[in-house]
Amino acid sequence: ETGVTQTPRHLVMGMTNKKSLKCEQHLGHNAMYWYKQSAKKPLELMFVYSLEERVENNSVPSRFSPECPNSSHLFLHLHTLQPEDSALYLCASSQRSGEYEQFFGPGTRLTVL
Amino acid sequence: EDQVTQSPEALRLQEGESSSLNCSYTVSGLRGLFWYRQDPGKGPEFLFTLYSAGEEKEKERLKATLTKKESFLHITAPKPEDSATYLCAVVDSSYKLIFGSGTRLLVRP
Repeated sequence: ETGVTQTPRHLVMGMTNKKSLKCEQHLGHNAMYWYKQSAKKPLELMFVYSLEERVENNSVPSRFSPECPNSSHLFLHLHTLQPEDSALYLCASSQRSGEYEQFFGPGTRLTVL
Repeated sequence: EDQVTQSPEALRLQEGESSSLNCSYTVSGLRGLFWYRQDPGKGPEFLFTLYSAGEEKEKERLKATLTKKESFLHITAPKPEDSATYLCAVVDSSYKLIFGSGTRLLVRP
């Protein structure tokens, strides 16, 4: 595997379910990011991790819970989501936090019923 | 409030028909402006970074320019494989990254 991979690529869940999104980067980068991309809305930065430490949380609801066990892996744990949380969730990485030449994964298309 | 506006929302071109995409911004203390390309079903792909007014960057048929209020992405003699959504983003003085809504480009053969 090369670059940034995300699993699953598609996810349908009910509002009472608990699920997790996984991201893995094979680039040796030290910073990882979660973004939300909704239809016809700008990309929104959700979380930033640098060397496994969360350095930014952009007022994201607590039903989204990130986890970064090491510099190559990033998770987004989801619970009691709302239909308006349906979106494309993108993971990205960069050499260092604050670098905007970021490498993105293909995203997970999430549908909340 | 910091804002990034991209226009047009969608653009259809014939192969070989050159045009420009616009990204206008109002931010407190621009630290950088970035262009990304996004193909359907994929994440954005980094294209350019511009830091100061007057700066220009080129890559194949694409050329990005920057003024104090806006950036242009010029596409010269586009090909169908240039069809994608082009995203503009800025970083403000507090290092906050703000994206525009993108321009969907379709180049017909």
